[in-house]
Amino acid sequence: DTEVTQTPKHLVMGMTNKKSLKCEQHMGHRAMYWYKQKAKKPPELMFVYSYEKLSINESVPSRFSPECPNSSLLNLHLHALQPEDSALYLCASSQGNLANYGYTFGSGTRLTVV
Amino acid sequence: AQKITQTQPGMFVQEKEAVTLDCTYDTSDQSYGLFWYKQPSSGEMIFLIYQGSYDEQNATEGRYSLNFQKARKSANLVISASQLGDSAMYFCAMREGRVDSSYKLIFGSGTRLLVRP
Repeated sequence: DTEVTQTPKHLVMGMTNKKSLKCEQHMGHRAMYWYKQKAKKPPELMFVYSYEKLSINESVPSRFSPECPNSSLLNLHLHALQPEDSALYLCASSQGNLANYGYTFGSGTRLTVV
Repeated sequence: AQKITQTQPGMFVQEKEAVTLDCTYDTSDQSYGLFWYKQPSSGEMIFLIYQGSYDEQNATEGRYSLNFQKARKSANLVISASQLGDSAMYFCAMREGRVDSSYKLIFGSGTRLLVRP
């Protein structure tokens, strides 16, 4: 199994809603990442988990809350988002000692905040 | 701070011809890695090719090759024999720092490639 699975693929939520994005990989990768990508822009790093511990938070607003329940799962909990948070949210994983393979990305969740 | 620059917002290429996508980078690290990713309209980021800063030979993967010129700090992607399915956004990226259990990838602004039949 050489893929990262993200669910849902599309999500529309109101500004008062609470929702979660899910990411799963079964490649044994010990690092997992959340990226945010606005239209026609490059991906921007949000969070990094290494061995299930949060290692990097790129000053992301607290309305985004990451969680890594185990080595295969990564969640992003969303609460009280703003319309400008509408974007493609990409999850990725990597195996540190094989950096020449880069990240393996999921296909993303397209989020629309209304 | 590390930086990746892609100066071509959009490119056209005729089917079956070769095309070069430009990428320059700036870093003070001696050890770094450079990547190219393809992003079709579906959104998934697809890894294409990798070049390590200590690799003496240019990386190749099928129709993709990386023209690595370390002194000029450039890492251009060459796609040979373009196909219609190559139409996509292409991102150059650089790994920050040494490889640990995790590492940051920083991305250039991207080049949108359109292959004409």
